[in-house]
Amino acid sequence: GDSVTQMEGPVTLSEEAFLTINCTYTATGYPSLFWYVQYPGEGLQLLLKATKADDKGSNKGFEATYRKETTSFHLEKGSVQVSDSAVYFCALSLGDYKLSFGAGTTVTVRA
Amino acid sequence: GAVVSQHPSWVICKSGTSVKIECRSLDFQATTMFWYRQFPKQSLMLMATSNEGSKATYEQGVEKDKFLINHASLTLSTLTVTSAHPEDSSFYICSLRLAGGPGEQFFGPGTRLTVL
Repeated sequence: GDSVTQMEGPVTLSEEAFLTINCTYTATGYPSLFWYVQYPGEGLQLLLKATKADDKGSNKGFEATYRKETTSFHLEKGSVQVSDSAVYFCALSLGDYKLSFGAGTTVTVRA
Repeated sequence: GAVVSQHPSWVICKSGTSVKIECRSLDFQATTMFWYRQFPKQSLMLMATSNEGSKATYEQGVEKDKFLINHASLTLSTLTVTSAHPEDSSFYICSLRLAGGPGEQFFGPGTRLTVL
């Protein structure tokens, strides 16, 4: 079935460090790919998305590129801030619009 | 994007009682809403797809008689946990999909259910 595998956490970083969270997927078709973020005490928010191969999603300094050849959608940010501390979920969606989520990666950024 | 609200934000109930959770779309009409369950430090598990004016579609392993879903209008879906037990304690989250979108969903803030 369709699934998402993402890097397990927790990840702890210092401010201004580089962040990468790996995400790979398996799908029977051509999915849309998403990164959602869940800040402490809040609901999930869409961080960025990509709907076709080679698309790059970006938002708030985060980027992820849809790589069909490696079935990956790794999330990156060049310089993290304390406010980026959250749980990050990689997800995919196919024609039925259901979202399949990865397990989530908890990121803690220390000042 | 769409704004989604849930009510209540948290609820504590006794074992054997039923609890209703509301999910409202505040600024868009949503023909499709989704209900998820999230265990502590785990991912979201899709429970069911709620379609306005028709019966909900439940995922495998989810008891439809246990988790009653009603999507009576384009802006409201409800999830009722019937005869709740401690193992039903969880974080319940709804989301909606806007028509024509690529699958992006907008999530409510979630409802924390604790069954004593």
